[in-house]
Amino acid sequence: QKEVEQNSGPLSVPEGAIASLNCTYSDRVSQSFFWYRQYSGKSPELIMSIYSNGDKEDGRFTAQLNKASQYVSLLIRDSQPSDSATYLCAAPTTGNQFYFGTGTSLTVIP
Amino acid sequence: DVKVTQSSRYLVKRTGEKVFLECVQDMDHENMFWYRQDPGLGLRLIYFSYDVKMKEKGDIPEGYSVSREKKERFSLILESASTNQTSMYLCASSLPTTNEKLFFGSGTQLSVL
Repeated sequence: QKEVEQNSGPLSVPEGAIASLNCTYSDRVSQSFFWYRQYSGKSPELIMSIYSNGDKEDGRFTAQLNKASQYVSLLIRDSQPSDSATYLCAAPTTGNQFYFGTGTSLTVIP
Repeated sequence: DVKVTQSSRYLVKRTGEKVFLECVQDMDHENMFWYRQDPGLGLRLIYFSYDVKMKEKGDIPEGYSVSREKKERFSLILESASTNQTSMYLCASSLPTTNEKLFFGSGTQLSVL
């Protein structure tokens, strides 16, 4: 198993809907998780981080971490066309090497 | 404002050339990273450095080397460029603790002809 895996996508949702993005991870990563958004032709930018089991909310974004299932997700409420991008899940190993999933492409349809 | 600067946004080289990609950060970060990004493969770690003159191989170090002579600068070297090294190269930096996020440069799109 890779350190971080994203198997879903591409994902299309209508404007105003909830977009759900998922990621699983291996035992080789530490317990810190990051969601990055990457627009086409741009570098990734951090949108959420989560370290503890449960939910963390920031505006329209909610990150969810389930350590028992080794699963982390990102929910985007009231999706907007400007949310159309690739979303990358990332985690560092205990040796501080950051690993990324392959990304999920999200398209929000007006 | 924090900054990670990559020397070139676009670069075109010929096979067999020695290529240097430069990355400079102004945040006094200990950790620096080089990734390449290809469609469908995501970001793959090439090399990582946690201190001056220290380096560790990532998942795909073959055909690459790195240099970190100063804390703020991390260079990626393609000893003899090949067409399969055509890619987007991203440099990033972070503080040394595991909860710290990565700051990315704007990327270098390298084409090897």
